[in-house]
Amino acid sequence: KQEVTQIPAALSVPEGENLVLNCSFTDSAIYNLQWFRQDPGKGLTSLLLIQSSQREQTSGRLNASLDKSSGRSTLYIAASQPGDSATYLCAAPSQGGSEKLVFGKGTKLTVNP
Amino acid sequence: EAGVVQSPRYKIIEKKQPVAFWCNPISGHNTLYWYLQNLGQGPELLIRYENEEAVDDSQLPKDRFSAERLKGVDSTLKIQPAELGDSAVYLCASSLGGGNGYEQYFGPGTRLTVT
Repeated sequence: KQEVTQIPAALSVPEGENLVLNCSFTDSAIYNLQWFRQDPGKGLTSLLLIQSSQREQTSGRLNASLDKSSGRSTLYIAASQPGDSATYLCAAPSQGGSEKLVFGKGTKLTVNP
Repeated sequence: EAGVVQSPRYKIIEKKQPVAFWCNPISGHNTLYWYLQNLGQGPELLIRYENEEAVDDSQLPKDRFSAERLKGVDSTLKIQPAELGDSAVYLCASSLGGGNGYEQYFGPGTRLTVT
């Protein structure tokens, strides 16, 4: 059974700092992994979808990597801004390329001006 | 392009009353999902549709929850009767679908409070 863990649960950093959010998963036979952002009281916004063949995906100041052998994914945020404050969730398929996603509990990020 | 639309955004009902949530997915997206999100937790899948067919409803409490996706577009999720423990955010998502898994796009959710 796929389990997804995100550490830390909360993170507070000063503006401008580069930071890394961690996600680990137990079933490494996955085809892809997705990172989301959730603002308070809002739905989820898709940030990046990494296919296992890609290992890494970039969008603006965001870079996500996927290491299936170690069961880990990281989301790197460069030059953080107060507007990046949100909860970041990663989600892995329950198995293989299944469209049933299993989510972590998220990392709540606060970027202080 | 419009995103996933959900209504209502908020709903407060008394226990034992019925409630329904509506979702309109992104145009052209064949796969539609209903998720439940409790406070401080990640979303959990309730049911997944491919077109009008429910292909994964193993997590749906069928004694009180029901869902439909007529004509393979809009979907409705119903709870009858609601219980206090049903208070949560109900999220709808859609994707193009496909065997390799496509990016899922979420709506704003419906926050249900059962009193």
